[in-house]
Amino acid sequence: SQLAEENSWALSVHEGESVTVNCSYKTSITALQWYRQKSGKGPAQLILIRSNEREKRNGRLRATLDTSSQSSSLSITATRCEDTAVYFCATDDGNNAPRFGAGTKLSVKP
Amino acid sequence: NSKVIQTPRYLVKGQGQKAKMRCIPEKGHPVVFWYQQNKNNEFKFLINFQNQEVLQQIDMTEKRFSAECPSNSPCSLEIQSSEAGDSALYLCASSLGQGYSDYTFGSGTRLLVI
Repeated sequence: SQLAEENSWALSVHEGESVTVNCSYKTSITALQWYRQKSGKGPAQLILIRSNEREKRNGRLRATLDTSSQSSSLSITATRCEDTAVYFCATDDGNNAPRFGAGTKLSVKP
Repeated sequence: NSKVIQTPRYLVKGQGQKAKMRCIPEKGHPVVFWYQQNKNNEFKFLINFQNQEVLQQIDMTEKRFSAECPSNSPCSLEIQSSEAGDSALYLCASSLGQGYSDYTFGSGTRLLVI
């Protein structure tokens, strides 16, 4: 079973709009990562947020982490067509390889 | 461009054939991971190494899959006898170590078993 999972399979927005992808997990973690994977490419890490952090930003991206509810969110503002991709969260527990969710497919339309 | 180099990009094999793929980790990264990503985008961890030593591997890897990370050579993942269900994207990632959480992925090798 997935130890990390995004809460929506697919999202669609228009350029310029904001969007949030959510993720929940089931175990104690040391860190959570958000990745973007474009068609034909490997995942690219967007934001790494450690268990003692509550928020992290990277340009138009903002990730939050709530360890009490075991959930995280990734928000993208002012979306662009090139943000179209599959977004994954992955969790680290300090002992095992990172565990990935099944991904949320984001489509940004002109 | 990815700092983790995977070759080949595409691999087509018949059932029962061997399939071998290679990975050059990011410079200075001693830990290498192999994942299998299926057509539903689900990731399955296969094996990881620290330098030349296996850290963890799943049962599937112990049977038909073999992997190594020799010093001064690319890491490799080989499927001894390919099955249709092995068709997937095989991803290699590297990091400074488990716990650093800063992983760099390659573009993957897409294996098709016909």
